[in-house]
Amino acid sequence: QVQLQESGPGLVYPSQTLSLTCAVSGDSISSGGYYWSWVRQPAGKGLEWIGRISGSGSTNYNPSLGSRVTMSVDTSKNEFSLRLRSVTAADTAIYFCAKDTRSWYDYRFDPWGQGTLVTVAS
Amino acid sequence: QSALTQPASVSGSPGQSITISCTGTSSDVGGYDYVSWYQQHPGNAPKLIIYDVTTRPSGVSNRFSGSKSGNTASLTISGLQIEDEADYYCSSYRRSDTLVFGGGTKLTVL
Repeated sequence: QVQLQESGPGLVYPSQTLSLTCAVSGDSISSGGYYWSWVRQPAGKGLEWIGRISGSGSTNYNPSLGSRVTMSVDTSKNEFSLRLRSVTAADTAIYFCAKDTRSWYDYRFDPWGQGTLVTVAS
Repeated sequence: QSALTQPASVSGSPGQSITISCTGTSSDVGGYDYVSWYQQHPGNAPKLIIYDVTTRPSGVSNRFSGSKSGNTASLTISGLQIEDEADYYCSSYRRSDTLVFGGGTKLTVL
């Protein structure tokens, strides 16, 4: 049974870089050709897809976040990471990681991590 | 990046059926059969309940069904149960290699 667990600082200062890691257990991040995604949700609001990365390091990001997003994968630790630069209060949200599909066009997230709240404030 | 359009809220009584719509464009919902639906209870992560427009993952009740007509996808829940009260989100692949979510619909079971 695949399980995902997000970790990282709960508080980030404005203009700094948000860094989160998603540890995967019960599955190998580098086998099977799956993508692994990040999704966020501001309090009381809807979901926003941030981007995805494959076990081989191929990435695809939400254009609305521009060049602020970078994702990476560490197959030795079976985890993948998110970096979001130049954060503002608008980046305050619960951040989820999730297992995605093998397909470039078919996105579906199952399972999800429990999510981690990141607050951007001084 | 505009979201897919969902009603803010729907309601129904136990045993009834309800339908939640998800309207996009020919660049997303209408152009591809890659629509998914998620159920989210308060304080929990979303749960995948429908993918590829009509497919239920293993373990999801057959009371949940999906369909699509033109640029609008729909989620139908039949035989409403109290535990179905939750937020529901649709998502779709969008041309230019991105994914877009709907704004979410709050289902109240009266």
